[in-house]
Amino acid sequence: DTGVSQDPRHKITKRGQNVTFRCDPISEHNRLYWYRQTLGQGPEFLTYFQNEAQLEKSRLLSDRFSAERPKGSFSTLEIQRTEQGDSAMYLCASSGTGGEKLFFGSGTQLSVL
Amino acid sequence: DQQVKQNSPSLSVQEGRISILNCDYTNSMFDYFLWYKKYPAEGPTFLISISSIKDKNEDGRFTVFLNKSAKHLSLHIVPSQPGDSAVYFCAATYGGYQLTFGKGTKLSVIP
Repeated sequence: DTGVSQDPRHKITKRGQNVTFRCDPISEHNRLYWYRQTLGQGPEFLTYFQNEAQLEKSRLLSDRFSAERPKGSFSTLEIQRTEQGDSAMYLCASSGTGGEKLFFGSGTQLSVL
Repeated sequence: DQQVKQNSPSLSVQEGRISILNCDYTNSMFDYFLWYKKYPAEGPTFLISISSIKDKNEDGRFTVFLNKSAKHLSLHIVPSQPGDSAVYFCAATYGGYQLTFGKGTKLSVIP
């Protein structure tokens, strides 16, 4: 069991730059989620895929954010024109069909300077 | 509008004693509840869960209690160990996919 893998672990960028994060879920899981966590808060839901279909997006996900899961396996989360308010831990999780138990990766810590 | 609330930001407990972490929720649609544990620089790790049709679920040293009428759940850890020191998040869901998390409680178990 390799678990959920996220890359990179840390990303420092300048305001206005674009960044992309990758998530590899547990191989037999067909559901994939992106969450964001800021200091002192719990993880907040961003978006959810079942296989390659993006089925739900939070209102937190502005137009500058886009997520894809092209072949129903790995997923990418892109943030365009980053802002300082985007600084956070971006967490990816996966689960099987009908599974409420999410398995999280170690996250990507984004710092926007 | 915080639908899942953990009102205690931190808790200190002596090793070997019981740790009780509390969580309140406001959305009566929630039908499944989970506790996650998080160490610094790591993602949350699933600990234990409970369906709304039950009032108790036990797994080793961890027990979760659900009081639906009070919209309250609690996590009991007995006996507490230093390795239990972490941030604990309560989460709830309905429809089975989007978890709503509380802000977490930092548990410190003192040797």
